[in-house]
Amino acid sequence: EAQVTQNPRYLITVTGKKLTVTCSQNMNHEYMSWYRQDPGLGLRQIYYSMNVEVTDKGDVPEGYKVSRKEKRNFPLILESPSPNQTSLYFCASSLSDNYNEQFFGPGTRLTVL
Amino acid sequence: QKEVEQNSGPLSVPEGAIASLNCTYSDRGSQSFFWYRQYSGKSPELIMFIYSNGDKEDGRFTAQLNKASQYVSLLIRDSQPSDSATYLCAVFGNTGFQKLVFGTGTRLLVSP
Repeated sequence: EAQVTQNPRYLITVTGKKLTVTCSQNMNHEYMSWYRQDPGLGLRQIYYSMNVEVTDKGDVPEGYKVSRKEKRNFPLILESPSPNQTSLYFCASSLSDNYNEQFFGPGTRLTVL
Repeated sequence: QKEVEQNSGPLSVPEGAIASLNCTYSDRGSQSFFWYRQYSGKSPELIMFIYSNGDKEDGRFTAQLNKASQYVSLLIRDSQPSDSATYLCAVFGNTGFQKLVFGTGTRLLVSP
């Protein structure tokens, strides 16, 4: 089954404790993105990657890091999480950057205390 | 001014009616326009995309684009209670940043 998976689905952590949210797709997609969704602010892009070893900042990259060492994986790293990073996070992938075949993962709900 | 604006709703329509969802965008160079449906607690799901002025129909859904007015809409005919969800408008701009900008969504409620 074609899908984007994220882990963990739910995470409660404390300020400053490094964490990684994994994202994996099995569709051989070149383009992957991370978004956060907050009430009243909608979905905002954090980082995107156009292919292996090619990443760039989206709208709200501060406090986040990403890597793309393999085509299928695009982990999101919070090196020192803060409460303002409490949010719902989505990973998405598409065959190319024209977005007309963008698939979203199930989401990761992160709470930083 | 927000880059992509939508009325947050809720928009309430009776079952069988036409639901009309609207979106305006600020970047006149925008090239591609998308409508996503998001059920509560779930991930967004692409339902329509449109690139050219005019209408594009897919089953009960019609997307309408007017680039001169910077306006895109989604019509849902014969609305069903299962259409109750938040509808997100997204615009792919010509900013060079390769980013998709989302509106905050319109919540649609279809009553039986």
